[in-house]
Amino acid sequence: AQKITQTQPGMFVQEKEAVTLDCTYDTSDPSYGLFWYKQPSSGEMIFLIYQGSYDQQNATEGRYSLNFQKARKSANLVISASQLGDSAMYFCAMTRVQGAQKLVFGQGTRLTINP
Amino acid sequence: NAGVTQTPKFQVLKTGQSMTLQCAQDMNHEYMSWYRQDPGMGLRLIHYSVGAGITDQGEVPNGYNVSRSTTEDFPLRLLSAAPSQTSVYFCASRPTSSRNSGANVLTFGAGSRLTVL
Repeated sequence: AQKITQTQPGMFVQEKEAVTLDCTYDTSDPSYGLFWYKQPSSGEMIFLIYQGSYDQQNATEGRYSLNFQKARKSANLVISASQLGDSAMYFCAMTRVQGAQKLVFGQGTRLTINP
Repeated sequence: NAGVTQTPKFQVLKTGQSMTLQCAQDMNHEYMSWYRQDPGMGLRLIHYSVGAGITDQGEVPNGYNVSRSTTEDFPLRLLSAAPSQTSVYFCASRPTSSRNSGANVLTFGAGSRLTVL
């Protein structure tokens, strides 16, 4: 079975600072994908970034990067130069590449950016 | 392109009532799923479907029923609502499973907030 753990229920960061949101995972599948989603106060789920388990390089999307450490089973999200609009819930999720590909989510981290 | 459309956005039910949450997508996605979101628990998979006529259970299927008669629609039925089903429900879809990473990204609807009294 797959499991995602996000150990930071809440984080407070000053605007323009970089922030790292932790995510560890557990799976016995050799091939899997890792995702980060953002959920602002309006409630919608916004896809941020994806990392495949066999990808050689860490994924990046604009100010978002994924610090993928396969041996440690961690997939931390790094947001550079944080902005007030980054205040939201952030969810880490994973899926196996083969089979039913159910997406399993962590509990989430609430990020608050202070001006 | 509407993406994934969920209705209603808000609903209040009394214990024992039945209702259907509607989900429709116009992206020709084969995979569709329903999640519920509760505080401190992230999103948990209720049911999913890999194509018309095919459905399967997720992590928390009890009390919910689904069917998939068309590619576009994936309704979620509550047969006899209970207070424990008070939650925010999300429908999500994606194209056919593939080793292509881009095909694995779920597109979510806006959510339906259900309160059962």
